[in-house]
Amino acid sequence: AQSVTQPDIHITVSEGASLELRCNYSYGATPYLFWYVQSPGQGLQLLLKYFSGDTLVQGIKGFEAEFKRSQSSFNLRKPSVHWSDAAEYFCAVGGGKLIFGQGTELSVKP
Amino acid sequence: DTGVSQDPRHKITKRGQNVTFRCDPISEHNRLYWYRQTLGQGPEFLTYFQNEAQLEKSRLLSDRFSAERPKGSFSTLEIQRTEQGDSAMYLCASSLGPEFSYNEQFFGPGTRLTVL
Repeated sequence: AQSVTQPDIHITVSEGASLELRCNYSYGATPYLFWYVQSPGQGLQLLLKYFSGDTLVQGIKGFEAEFKRSQSSFNLRKPSVHWSDAAEYFCAVGGGKLIFGQGTELSVKP
Repeated sequence: DTGVSQDPRHKITKRGQNVTFRCDPISEHNRLYWYRQTLGQGPEFLTYFQNEAQLEKSRLLSDRFSAERPKGSFSTLEIQRTEQGDSAMYLCASSLGPEFSYNEQFFGPGTRLTVL
């Protein structure tokens, strides 16, 4: 069955600290992988996507993610978190319709 | 603004009433998706269109739900005889496809439905 697991429901980091959000997927074919961010009252915004090539992908707002086929993972990272990064983050897989994880809520301490 | 728009943004209705939501995709996008998001969960796929053809429906889409995209432009999602369990955020997204199936889906702001 196709699925996405985000093990961490809620993460709190200090402003300026590094961040890693975990994502594991189960997908029969070569996956297309995405990270979206959702702020309160806002629509989902794409941070980055992977579909082939270099397994380290760069996205907007200083985010990056690394695709590891052997671990079925696509973790999102940022070297230095800003207070404005506080939001809900969703990992998704699919070619066409998307299958989303349940999300990780990020809080940022001053 | 040429993004995806949804109307209304909020809808409160009584159990048993019918409701209809509208989605206007980005103009050149031929694929249109509907998702449902409940509190604390990620969006769940409901259905999608390529142009005016409805190509896939999730098992989540009961007989009370119907979606249309009559001219391959805007789409409507109707829920008949609403139940309290229908309370959720209904998200619409659009993209180019099928040859660009990995293309980004652009999401609208959603319609929040509350069934009393």
